[in-house]
Amino acid sequence: NAGVTQTPKFRILKIGQSMTLQCAQDMNHNYMYWYRQDPGMGLKLIYYSVGAGITDKGEVPNGYNVSRSTTEDFPLRLELAAPSQTSVYFCASSYFAGPYSNQPQHFGDGTRLSIL
Amino acid sequence: GQQVMQIPQYQHVQEGEDFTTYCNSSTTLSNIQWYKQRPGGHPVFLIQLVKSGEVKKQKRLTFQFGEAKKNSSLHITATQTTDVGTYFCAGLVNYGGSQGNLIFGKGTKLSVKP
Repeated sequence: NAGVTQTPKFRILKIGQSMTLQCAQDMNHNYMYWYRQDPGMGLKLIYYSVGAGITDKGEVPNGYNVSRSTTEDFPLRLELAAPSQTSVYFCASSYFAGPYSNQPQHFGDGTRLSIL
Repeated sequence: GQQVMQIPQYQHVQEGEDFTTYCNSSTTLSNIQWYKQRPGGHPVFLIQLVKSGEVKKQKRLTFQFGEAKKNSSLHITATQTTDVGTYFCAGLVNYGGSQGNLIFGKGTKLSVKP
């Protein structure tokens, strides 16, 4: 199994450009997440999805959009890239095991994005 | 908002020394998870603690969950160079009925001098 696959691994964007970060998982997980990790910082949740067709905002959603048309895919869209969005972006997925439980999150290798 | 504080931010040890990182939450957690991230890598799940006062061991790693479910610790005995990386705790804050989201601490970066 590939697990969680993210593309691209690296990208440099100019201010104002847009792009989509791709994420796919083959573990049939219903929950998927997008995080950003700034240098020396922890992970901050951007958006998450509890299943196909359902998405919700996390801690830092401004400047991003997501969609979840299938269980497998959860792309993250940057519409107008800004220098503050320079970061490492991680996609993760997990299996939902009930409202008072949680399952381990499986992370992709990340996308290193620079906005110049 | 909900916060999970983790200390220390950095720890430099000589190989063979012990290492401990601490995690504290401003609110009661449903459970807590620990992840390890190697330099240039992605977070990898280590363990999950659910019960108050729970202690779990993985070889040289000992994980504890506080009685009040507001704090946790990871202790590594006799560190090795393979332990190098950043250790994150992540607390699950339950929002009443639905699956809560993990709140990650900022991590403790461990370096080990051979």
